[in-house]
This record gives sequence, structure tokens and C-alpha cells, in this order.
Amino acid sequence: GQNIDQPTEMTATEGAIVQINCTYQTSGFNGLFWYQQHAGEAPTFLSYNVLDGLEEKGRFSSFLSRSKGYSYLLLKELQMKDSASYLCAVRDEDSNYQLIWGAGTKLIIKP
Amino acid sequence: DTAVSQTPKYLVTQMGNDKSIKCEQNLGHDTMYWYKQDSKKFLKIMFSYNNKELIINETVPNRFSPKSPDKAHLNLHINSLELGDSAVYFCASSQDTRPQETQYFGPGTRLLVL
Repeated sequence: GQNIDQPTEMTATEGAIVQINCTYQTSGFNGLFWYQQHAGEAPTFLSYNVLDGLEEKGRFSSFLSRSKGYSYLLLKELQMKDSASYLCAVRDEDSNYQLIWGAGTKLIIKP
Repeated sequence: DTAVSQTPKYLVTQMGNDKSIKCEQNLGHDTMYWYKQDSKKFLKIMFSYNNKELIINETVPNRFSPKSPDKAHLNLHINSLELGDSAVYFCASSQDTRPQETQYFGPGTRLLVL
């Protein structure tokens, strides 16, 4: 079957670094996405990984290990506006290439 | 300019009614989607259209019927609304169906069935 696990909630301090983990089990892995969703708003794209390793994009980086079924999103120099839910989604070729979504990790930033 | 737009943003209605949600994208994308996000925040794909053709039709009650009059529009009609239909419905689009293509989401329609 398909399964995506993320922590439900995390808290971090403004200016610090936080790592949000995502583990997945899918039969036909074909890429992993991270999206940010502020409360009451639409998800917006952050990153895409299909090969192992680290992808860096400004303050945000995303890592993938296909052999471990594991990814993380690293947020540096946290700002209050980073308070949001972070959704991990896996493309599954055995499900007609649709995205399988995790429930998201709610990140709370404190001053 | 709004890339993916949905109307209405809020919809409150009685059980048993029929309602429609409209979605339009001005990105020139070929592929459009309807998702349901429940109270636990899981996003579940409902339908996907590519060039007006249905390509994904998940296990959704047949009270839900999508219609794509052209590539830029994907509407969702819901018959005989039930309490369990209360959720946020997101429309999304992507350039095409290639695995690496990013999906762009509309602002969501918050449906409350009383």
C-alpha cells in the first residue's frame, strides 16, 4: 500500500533551523514534492526531489534518500511568516502517477 | 493576475441540495485536478483531466461529476449533498502529466453542508 508519515506539529524559534521529516512507502516512487500551506490558503510549491541528495533553494533545502524512503525539508533563519503546514507528497507511478499526500506538519514559530 | 481561480470561495448549503464549484486557470496548462481536503488536512485526489479528457477518477461517489468544457476550465457538480461532503475543495493545474511537473492550486472552496 501507500503511506506517508510526517510529524503532526513542530515548534521552533525565530532565527533558528528546523528539519521536518517525511517517510514514505509506495510501490512506484517517481519523485517527492514539498508544499507550504498557510492556514486557510492554498498549498504552494517549495521543492521537488527525484534523485538522492540535497536540493538547496535559498533558506529552504530538501533532501531525499530513495533507499530509505525518507526525505526532509530544512528551513534556515526561520521567520514568523514560516509558520504554516508543510506537506510532503510522493508521485506514485503505480497509481497512475498521481500525488499521494501526507497530512502535513504544522510548524509554529515563536519569537 | 490570478493563476488558478475558484468560485465560490465559501459555500454553505442544506443537505440534499445540488451545487457547483467552478475553476479556471490562465496558465495555459493542459492538466487540471480536483482535490478534497478534509478536517484532518489530508489532500485526496478526486479527478484529473488532461486536455479535457478524464484521466484519473478516484473512488468518489457518483454524486460528484466533473465537467471540462475546455482546457482552461474544470467544474465540479455535486448532487444530493451530504454532511460528509463538508470539506475544502481545491482545484489545481499543471503544465502536463509528466511526473516532475508542479501543481498550482486555486484558493479553495470551503463547503459546509448543514
